[in-house]
Amino acid sequence: GQQLNQSPQSMFIQEGEDVSMNCTSSSIFNTWLWYKQDPGEGPVLLIALYKAGELTSNGRLTAQFGITRKDSFLNISASIPSDVGIYFCAGRTQGAQKLVFGQGTRLTINP
Amino acid sequence: DGGITQSPKYLFRKEGQNVTLSCEQNLNHDAMYWYRQDPGQGLRLIYYSQIVNDFQKGDIAEGYSVSREKKESFPLTVTSAQKNPTAFYLCASSGWARSIVEAFFGQGTRLTVV
Repeated sequence: GQQLNQSPQSMFIQEGEDVSMNCTSSSIFNTWLWYKQDPGEGPVLLIALYKAGELTSNGRLTAQFGITRKDSFLNISASIPSDVGIYFCAGRTQGAQKLVFGQGTRLTINP
Repeated sequence: DGGITQSPKYLFRKEGQNVTLSCEQNLNHDAMYWYRQDPGQGLRLIYYSQIVNDFQKGDIAEGYSVSREKKESFPLTVTSAQKNPTAFYLCASSGWARSIVEAFFGQGTRLTVV
């Protein structure tokens, strides 16, 4: 089945640093979604992208829909302790009945 | 408030028993999904439903069953045939028929076999 390759798998950073993570696929996607999951909770939608090249921000978070439609990026600026968690990308190809999820990026922040 | 509710938050099951996890949504979404998450792992799709009285197997359906008798409800039964049921289970919904593809998740149910 379709797979999304999300990287890095984990990140250990200092508070205040910027963060970058990405997802790539061998298939063309027409929707990219980014979620954050806190420990013991369900994922929460952060940003949704619908057009190739689209750049969307949500506070300190910025995500981009890659021009090739096979990748997406999420950046977090000036990280704070509450940014800790697991970030998932998800995508949908044209006509697909379900989302495909990446394996997640676990973010740890040292104060 | 609109949302998706899973219950219970924690569930303990003895080996050989069936258990049913509840998922209810009042978002008027057509599609509903069940995912399984193991520690340190991503989300794996168990079953999904796009319309009442219809559902499809996901990637790991063996040992699970579902029903979709009402638009608002999509319960998941973990049967005794599921060999390793201890996991975190997540329910999600989306307005699929209206081409709204964002999936919204419940708070999850942590199932432990004792």
